[in-house]
Amino acid sequence: KNQVEQSPQSLIILEGKNCTLQCNYTVSPFSNLRWYKQDTGRGPVSLTIMTFSENTKSNGRYTATLDADTKQSSLHITASQLSDSASYICVVSSANYGQNFVFGPGTRLSVLP
Amino acid sequence: DSGVTQTPKHLITATGQRVTLRCSPRSGDLSVYWYQQSLDQGLQFLIQYYNGEERAKGNILERFSAQQFPDLHSELNLSSLELGDSALYFCASSVQSYNEQFFGPGTRLTVL
Repeated sequence: KNQVEQSPQSLIILEGKNCTLQCNYTVSPFSNLRWYKQDTGRGPVSLTIMTFSENTKSNGRYTATLDADTKQSSLHITASQLSDSASYICVVSSANYGQNFVFGPGTRLSVLP
Repeated sequence: DSGVTQTPKHLITATGQRVTLRCSPRSGDLSVYWYQQSLDQGLQFLIQYYNGEERAKGNILERFSAQQFPDLHSELNLSSLELGDSALYFCASSVQSYNEQFFGPGTRLTVL
């Protein structure tokens, strides 16, 4: 069964600190992995998209890694800001019939002053 | 502002009814995606259209249907509504299937 798991479920950090969010998946065949940031009640915003051959991709203070062998990804946030408080969602798409997107449950990040 | 528009913002209706949600993609985007986000199931992919043709189908119920029109806007039709259909429905668009998706603000559907 295609699944995406994320850990931790929630995380509280102080402003200025770094953090790393984890994503494990069993989706097959693999097409790409995306990280989204979602503020409560708003549409997700794309952070990174990685294909099978990409190990690392950065977007400002966000850096995503992908290990296709172990089917793991991480999202590292550097020098956190209050505006980073949001849910971070890992999405893996399979290559069956176009793309089918499997969403993780998200990690709820709270950045405190 | 992502450039994707969705109407209406809020919709309140009764069980058994039928509603239509509308999405206008960003200018130049050919792909449109529909997603459902409920409290107990998180975000789920429903269906994708590319330039008017169905491209991929996810966990879309048979009571739900969608289409993409020649001007590339899309509609999601939900019929025989049940309490469990209450959710946020998001539309997203992208240039091609493998590109970054831009999400709209969503339509909040409440079924009473």
